[in-house]
Amino acid sequence: GAGVSQTPSNKVTEKGKYVELRCDPISGHTALYWYRQSLGQGPEFLIYFQGTGAADDSGLPNDRFFAVRPEGSVSTLKIQRTERGDSAVYLCASSLSGFHGYTFGSGTRLTVV
Amino acid sequence: GQQLNQSPQSMFIQEGEDVSMNCTSSSIFNTWLWYKQDPGEGPVLLIALYKAGELTSNGRLTAQFGITRKDSFLNISASIPSDVGIYFCAGDYQGGSEKLVFGKGTKLTVNP
Repeated sequence: GAGVSQTPSNKVTEKGKYVELRCDPISGHTALYWYRQSLGQGPEFLIYFQGTGAADDSGLPNDRFFAVRPEGSVSTLKIQRTERGDSAVYLCASSLSGFHGYTFGSGTRLTVV
Repeated sequence: GQQLNQSPQSMFIQEGEDVSMNCTSSSIFNTWLWYKQDPGEGPVLLIALYKAGELTSNGRLTAQFGITRKDSFLNISASIPSDVGIYFCAGDYQGGSEKLVFGKGTKLTVNP
């Protein structure tokens, strides 16, 4: 597609449930990033993929968070045993390798109740 | 972790006025970028800076990469109502790393 697509746009889940957030990057972009944005803050880095492999997952807050990109295109961010503190907008971005000016999607707003 | 200090936090200006905002860091950055975010949308890249001292323009926007590599500023000239939004600076401070550190943003309000 023309841009980075994220689904769903909104997700409300109960504390303790499992959620999956999907990202479709721009076709041909080998680099894919996940960021988390809390209210009133800038985006915070979670994980970066180059192709199928996670090149840097140093931003994942704990082992409840996991992300995959099995075919080097679509990525899924998975959160287990969700907590209220996980509520935020989860942003996905993609770029050509080595270019920092990446293109962001509109995000998934996750609310844990 | 590494933080960027972005100021001011918010600005209220009249249409037609010029705007200036800046970002500082305690560490040296290799790349500085400026993004704009509208409500319900992801950040959109405005300007990317790659060399110390670099001054780059994009229409009414001008940004500079500080000589010390620890700061950057963004100027908007002759503001218009559609300039409303949150402006973020971001940088890459770990040479070779693809991840960015973002500031907390400057919220701009333009009164017609």
